[in-house]
Amino acid sequence: GDSVTQMEGPVTLSEEACLTINCTYTATGYPSLFWYVQYPGEGLQLLLKATKADDKGSNKGFEATYRKETTSFHLEKGSVQVSDSAVYFCALCSSGGYQKVTFGTGTKLQVIP
Amino acid sequence: NAGVTQTPKFQVLKTGQSMTLQCAQDMNHEYMSWYRQDPGMGLRLIHYSVGAGITDQGEVPNGYNVSRSTTEDFPLRLLSAAPSQTSVYFCASSPGQGRADTQYFGPGTRLTVL
Repeated sequence: GDSVTQMEGPVTLSEEACLTINCTYTATGYPSLFWYVQYPGEGLQLLLKATKADDKGSNKGFEATYRKETTSFHLEKGSVQVSDSAVYFCALCSSGGYQKVTFGTGTKLQVIP
Repeated sequence: NAGVTQTPKFQVLKTGQSMTLQCAQDMNHEYMSWYRQDPGMGLRLIHYSVGAGITDQGEVPNGYNVSRSTTEDFPLRLLSAAPSQTSVYFCASSPGQGRADTQYFGPGTRLTVL
């Protein structure tokens, strides 16, 4: 079945540091890939997505590229801010039937001033 | 638009009690889902619905019931609460247009079963 593996946290960075959160996946067919973010006390919200190989999703300075050859969708940001502190979830949605979404376990990011 | 709303925000139950978690969306979305979030386990799908009158089981359906009589509402019923059901519950909706759909989440219900 489908699965998503993302790096375990927590990740602690100083403000303005570079961020990479690794995500790899296993899926049948050609899934869409997503990053969701969960701020403390809130539900998840979409950060970015990519629907086919070599697509790059981007939002709020975050980027991720759909790499079919390495089955990866790593999240990157060049300079993190304290306000980026949250839990980040990688997810995929396979084609066909009900579009069940499979989530990774989440990576907690803490940015310190 | 209010988006996806959930009530209550917090709930404490005793073992064996029953209750209903409410979920509503005002975006006219076809698909609605219930997830539970547990530490180290990400989100796991409990039940889902692809339209009014149509529901199906997800990964962890035992101990939960759902129904969908309208497009807007998708309540989750706990039949006889157990401590293993202590979790944060999220309702989500999506347009039902394909695999690129964005999921829209409610703010969650934090449930403790004593």
